[in-house]
Amino acid sequence: GENVEQHPSTLSVQEGDSAVIKCTYSDSASNYFPWYKQELGKRPQLIIDIRSNVGEKKDQRIAVTLNKTAKHFSLHITETQPEDSAVYFCAANEKLTFGTGTRLTIIP
Amino acid sequence: DTGVSQDPRHKITKRGQNVTFRCDPISEHNRLYWYRQTLGQGPEFLTYFQNEAQLEKSRLLSDRFSAERPKGSFSTLEIQRTEQGDSAMYLCASSLTDGTGELFFGEGSRLTVL
Repeated sequence: GENVEQHPSTLSVQEGDSAVIKCTYSDSASNYFPWYKQELGKRPQLIIDIRSNVGEKKDQRIAVTLNKTAKHFSLHITETQPEDSAVYFCAANEKLTFGTGTRLTIIP
Repeated sequence: DTGVSQDPRHKITKRGQNVTFRCDPISEHNRLYWYRQTLGQGPEFLTYFQNEAQLEKSRLLSDRFSAERPKGSFSTLEIQRTEQGDSAMYLCASSLTDGTGELFFGEGSRLTVL
C-alpha cells in the first residue's frame, strides 16, 4: 500500500517569512495529492490539492509543487500570518493516505 | 445541509463494551470514509463506501470493527469488545466525486476506553 512521509514534524517561522513542508510517497500510481490544515480541536480542511498532470499549483499565498519522478511534493506558504499556525497534513491517492503532520507555529 | 455530522461527539466506555458511531454525510455525496486519528498523528484510513458498497477495509483493522452504510446515506461504525488502544478520534468524511476530490470531514467522535 501507499506510504507517505512528511517533514519536518514541527516548524517555527517568523511572521512574514515563508514556510515549506515536504512529503514523499511510495506508490508511483498515486495521482492525487491534497494538503489539509487542522486547527486545534477542529476538523481537517482542504487548503490546496494537485493532480499528477501538473507540476505546480498556486492559490494566493499557498502553492504546491509535485515531482513525480522523485515522488515528492511540497507545500509552500509565503508571507506567513499568525492564523497560519496549525497542523498541516499531506496525503496521497484516492482514499487518502495521510502523512504524520507538521505543526507550524508562526512567531509574531 | 450544514456538512458532515457525527454522533456522539464524545463517548466514554469501559473496556469490553461495544460502541457505535454514526455519520451523516453531505446529502449528495456518494463516497463516505472512516478514519481514526490519535494525538499527534495523521488520520489513519479505516474503510470507505461508494453508495452502500464497502469498497475497502484497512488490513490494520481488526475484526472487532465493522462499518455499514445500508441505504447509501448515513453510516455506522461499531467497535466490539473495546480495548484501551481503541481510544482515539474517529473521523468521518464524504466526497462527491470518484474520490479524487475534496473530502469534507465531520467534527469527529472522540472515544475514551477506560
